[in-house]
Formats: sequence, structure tokens, C-alpha cells
Amino acid sequence: EAAVTQSPRNKVAVTGGKVTLSCNQTNNHNNMYWYRQDTGHGLRLIHYSYGAGSTEKGDIPDGYKASRPSQENFSLILELATPSQTSVYFCASGDARGGAGAETLYFGSGTRLTVL
Amino acid sequence: AQSVTQPDARVTVSEGASLQLRCKYSYSATPYLFWYVQYPRQGLQLLLKYYSGDPVVQGVNSFEAEFSKSNSSFHLQKASVHWSDSAVYFCALTVTGNTGKLIFGLGTTLQVQP
Repeated sequence: EAAVTQSPRNKVAVTGGKVTLSCNQTNNHNNMYWYRQDTGHGLRLIHYSYGAGSTEKGDIPDGYKASRPSQENFSLILELATPSQTSVYFCASGDARGGAGAETLYFGSGTRLTVL
Repeated sequence: AQSVTQPDARVTVSEGASLQLRCKYSYSATPYLFWYVQYPRQGLQLLLKYYSGDPVVQGVNSFEAEFSKSNSSFHLQKASVHWSDSAVYFCALTVTGNTGKLIFGLGTTLQVQP
């Protein structure tokens, strides 16, 4: 069974502080993604990665950085957190080896971030 | 720009009744289409996906979806719902072939009443 683990589960941060959200996958998938989920917006893609050492900007990358130091780990970094970044963040891994368009995403359980 | 619309924010049905959750997409060609489900306090899980072939796609837990090119729709259906089907259902698409770069609808909350 595919496994994606996010930490922490909940986080309260102060405005202007640095926040790091971590994600670990044991699926040996090449691709990993960070989405945020907000009422009225659904899920939106922040950053993604095709493998260790690579990061790409998604649809809403402003205010976020990403790091992929290994196949298993993918972090989302908020250098200067703002209240508008209060949200639920989901990490996912996916494997494109089934052919274009065949990728299934496996999601973690999410991190609920509150920026005060 | 591509988009996904789920016109029903909330649907309530009785246990044992049939279900249809609606999804409309905007894209000039045929996209890759997905339905994901989110149970409380969990991440999303794939129900089914479609790109080509038979327009009726079978998924997990007796869900199926029907693709209509003429209507730009990908509605999710189930013949008989169970209380455990209560969850939030997301329709999504990707057009780039990068697959994991999904565009999601806002979701439909399904409540199954006993």
C-alpha cells in the first residue's frame, strides 16, 4: 500500500516566522506535489518535483519554496509566513510509469497550518 | 484556461438510493479526468480515471463515471449508496500529460442519511 506521511499534523505559526512542512513517501515514486486546500478554491498546486534535486513552480508558488533532497522527502518552506497562508496543505506522490495520464496520486493526511 | 465545475456543493441522499454527482469541464480537447474522494481527516483517494476508450469507467467501491464529449461532462454514479460513502468528492483534470498537475473542482459534499 502506498504511503505518504506528512508532519506536523497541525502547526500554529506567527506572522513573519519560518515554517517548514515535511513529506515522506515510501512508494519510490519519482513525482511529488504540494497542494493547498481552501474553502471556495478546492485544491491548488503550489510546487512539484520530478525527482531528487528538482523542484518546479505550480499554479500558486508565490510565498513558498520547495526542497527535494531525496527520492523520499519533499518539503514546503514558508520563509515569511503570512495569515493568507493559513490553510490545509497536502503532499502527494505519483508514478508516471503507467503511461501519460495514467498517474495516480497518493495523498498524505494533510497539515493544518494556522498563521496568526 | 482549463477548469472544472462541480455545480452541487452538497448532496443528500438516503441509504440505498442511487447517486449522481455532476462534473463539467472546460477544455478544447479531451483531458484526462479523475474522481477523488476525501473522507474526514484524511487525504484524497482515487476512485477512477478516464482518458480514452469506453466512456463508462468503473472504479472502486462500485462507483462508475460516464464521460460525454458533447456535454463536456464526467458525472459520477453509484446504483446504491451506503452510509460509509459520506465524504467529499472531487472531480479533477489534467491536460498536459504531466499527470500529477491536476486542476480540481471545488468538491461536492455527500451526506448519506440512514
